[in-house]
Amino acid sequence: AQKVTQAQTEISVVEKEDVTLDCVYETRDTTYYLFWYKQPPSGELVFLIRRNSFDEQNEISGRYSWNFQKSTSSFNFTITASQVVDSAVYFCALSENSGAGSYQLTFGKGTKLSVIP
Amino acid sequence: EPEVTQTPSHQVTQMGQEVILRCVPISNHLYFYWYRQILGQKVEFLVSFYNNEISEKSEIFDDQFSVERPDGSNFTLKIRSTKLEDSAMYFCASRKLAGGGETQYFGPGTRLLVL
Repeated sequence: AQKVTQAQTEISVVEKEDVTLDCVYETRDTTYYLFWYKQPPSGELVFLIRRNSFDEQNEISGRYSWNFQKSTSSFNFTITASQVVDSAVYFCALSENSGAGSYQLTFGKGTKLSVIP
Repeated sequence: EPEVTQTPSHQVTQMGQEVILRCVPISNHLYFYWYRQILGQKVEFLVSFYNNEISEKSEIFDDQFSVERPDGSNFTLKIRSTKLEDSAMYFCASRKLAGGGETQYFGPGTRLLVL
């Protein structure tokens, strides 16, 4: 079973539209961390946000906002007024204590967002 | 702002050859990782390294792989005898503290092509 599910493989929107990228996770731990990373066409992984399991407060950063709901094990990401520069693959990731203290990231398969001018 | 660096950015090698991928983590970070991403697929964990030893490794990280921190700054991934299926982007990442609440910062990646 996947630990991080990003059901949307590809999304296309027209510039200035809002778009929400879904992420559903699975864990038995009570302490865990959720992340979103952006991978532009150049290939690097850019950190966007980290959330810990004790903090369900939603966060807004400019045009980006995140909705964390433990009740549905979801951590969705919304881009408001999308721009062409937002075109990228977006990965949701989960970090939990594997026992060795490593807290490695388990990534979803990613959602490829294309913003059309 | 400090960042993780990786060299080379691209490497082409023949099947069966050894390759060494190099990373310089952020200087005050304690935990180091290697991940790989086969083209068009998700990013997968390979190995974590803390206090000069492997902390955890995935099933992908078999005997063909090894990691080393040869000095105070470099962190290397060696693939002893490359296979075609080792072709991927390899990312190094580092994290500041030993606990779970810190962000992993990724390097720009090394794109490895095995022919």
